[in-house]
Amino acid sequence: DQQVKQNSPSLSVQEGRISILNCDYTNSMFDYFLWYKKYPAEGPTFLISISSIKDKNEDGRFTVFLNKSAKHLSLHIVPSQPGDSAVYFCAAHRRDAGNMLTFGGGTRLMVKP
Amino acid sequence: DAGVTQSPTHLIKTRGQQVTLRCSPKSGHDTVSWYQQALGQGPQFIFQYYEEEERQRGNFPDRFSGHQFPNYSSELNVNALLLGDSALYLCASTRTLSSTDTQYFGPGTRLTVL
Repeated sequence: DQQVKQNSPSLSVQEGRISILNCDYTNSMFDYFLWYKKYPAEGPTFLISISSIKDKNEDGRFTVFLNKSAKHLSLHIVPSQPGDSAVYFCAAHRRDAGNMLTFGGGTRLMVKP
Repeated sequence: DAGVTQSPTHLIKTRGQQVTLRCSPKSGHDTVSWYQQALGQGPQFIFQYYEEEERQRGNFPDRFSGHQFPNYSSELNVNALLLGDSALYLCASTRTLSSTDTQYFGPGTRLTVL
């Protein structure tokens, strides 16, 4: 039972363009969502988060949008840079589960110069 | 400021053996969580330790056990290894049990079971 899904295993984008990574969830108990970035041979690195009481959070080139009614969130990267090439994981936190995170399967982003 | 460190980097074991993985949390952190990341999948929560006690546990069998030491470092033990235990094992630490505290991950230990 995958409660957090990233349906696109990979995404290729031209440098300077927008990258949009999507994530869907099924559990309405999730109250906080995060995006992590992972390079090969490194652990996941926190990128940006959003509380379920908000619909948008912005940090520099990264913006996360949350649509609670659709149980969908997305990460926008503008403009995309070659250094953004990595695997991106969407993660969700449940209000009754301490700080345990439930992760999606990841999307590999490739930004071409 | 040292981040989360894990040892060893790689490990090869055979079915039925036992393995111990180690983690040192980021400086100032007292809560450690362990995740298993199978190939092509996202990390899955195994368990979390705080004040030397297991506080939360994911859907993993009792073959997976852990320990936290007074200096906040932690061990993950897996008994009776199965082929399906081959994965990247990630350790994450946080300052507290606070639900929205950012989790910092180590580089992981790659376990291969033959």
